[in-house]
Amino acid sequence: ETGVTQTPRHLVMGMTNKKSLKCEQHLKHNAMYWYKQSAKKPLELMFVYNFKEQTENNSVPSRFSPECPNSSHLFLHLHTLQPEDSALYLCASSRDRESYTFGSGTRLTVV
Amino acid sequence: DAKTTQPPSMDCAEGRAANLPCNHSTISGNEYVYWYRQIHSQGPQYIIHGLKNNETNEMASLIITEDRKSSTLILPHATLRDTAVYYCIVRVADAGGTSYGKLTFGQGTILTVHP
Repeated sequence: ETGVTQTPRHLVMGMTNKKSLKCEQHLKHNAMYWYKQSAKKPLELMFVYNFKEQTENNSVPSRFSPECPNSSHLFLHLHTLQPEDSALYLCASSRDRESYTFGSGTRLTVV
Repeated sequence: DAKTTQPPSMDCAEGRAANLPCNHSTISGNEYVYWYRQIHSQGPQYIIHGLKNNETNEMASLIITEDRKSSTLILPHATLRDTAVYYCIVRVADAGGTSYGKLTFGQGTILTVHP
């Protein structure tokens, strides 16, 4: 257990489905992040939240919708995804300039 | 953030030291060198970081050259469980007034430890 918990661990969804990924941290960190890791590609930063405010959106398509209700929870709402969105989605948190703590990720398959 | 260059893959015998190099020739004075590793299908794990002095912790040692243009991560006694992708990342210590900085990952080095 790393202190950052992601659920579910695996998700299979159809292109017309709506689903949500959840991330929770109990480390009293103020920043939270969503990363995407496609097969044989580097991790790509998607969104950054600091004290619940979104501070970065790396040109992510609107079919990915993040939500950060408080400093401990981060969601990624998914709708009308494409097969190329299949990837490992990783959540991380940090306190200011300190090192990031990553969750174990959600393996998403879009069919 | 400065770009880093790492070899795509390396091999190491179990019990021997693994020395993973990283070039960061455009590093700025306020940028730290961070190392993370990612074991297959898990989230990346922080290993160590440094600014200009050599650093050591329970996992590894970090050697940074005097001109700071390159560094080496040393795993002193590699085990099979050290097989992973190792990422060298240069990160700004201060990011504006919000006091946080994003991590940007490259391709990393695939380290394979053999019995």
